[in-house]
Amino acid sequence: DARVTQTPRHKVTEMGQEVTMRCQPILGHNTVFWYRQTMMQGLELLAYFRNRAPLDDSGMPKDRFSAEMPDATLATLKIQPSEPRDSAVYFCASGISGGTYEQYFGPGTRLTVT
Amino acid sequence: AQSVSQHNHHVILSEAASLELGCNYSYGGTVNLFWYVQYPGQHLQLLLKYFSGDPLVKGIKGFEAEFIKSKFSFNLRKPSVQWSDTAEYFCAVSPSGGYNKLIFGAGTRLAVHP
Repeated sequence: DARVTQTPRHKVTEMGQEVTMRCQPILGHNTVFWYRQTMMQGLELLAYFRNRAPLDDSGMPKDRFSAEMPDATLATLKIQPSEPRDSAVYFCASGISGGTYEQYFGPGTRLTVT
Repeated sequence: AQSVSQHNHHVILSEAASLELGCNYSYGGTVNLFWYVQYPGQHLQLLLKYFSGDPLVKGIKGFEAEFIKSKFSFNLRKPSVQWSDTAEYFCAVSPSGGYNKLIFGAGTRLAVHP
């Protein structure tokens, strides 16, 4: 049963620290998405990639967030420096472009910035 | 801008009651439509999806949804809910040809009492 994996599952850090979240998409999937979920804003799309190339990162605060795909099996989302308002659950999802458009979600990283 | 509206933010039902959750979207072109469910503490899972063909779509766990193009709606239904259906439900839209990008509604929290 192929799944999207995310690490770490929980992260508590102090304001100003760098945070790196990792995602391993399902093997063979060529699109990867990063979402942020908060009580106030719901699910927001931060960035997405197709064939490792960033297609849209307009949902990310560019001054502190960055997303990359060093290779087809790893996507990273970094926050530097982190702020309390970044506290949220960050989900990664993967899919196949041109297919059924279904996205498979990972378990999320719960980030708390104090 | 494309958007998805879910009319009910919180729904409370007793077991065996019927469920209907509303979803409307704003997009003039061809869309793919989804309902995702998020059980407490878990990641999003796909309930059902619509791409074309029969506007009445059946999903897992007895859920179904009807696409009414003239109303830009994709309401979720279940004739008889169970306590295990307690979860948050998200409607999502993906414009066809939009690189699989999903636009989510704010979600509806469903609580089913025994």
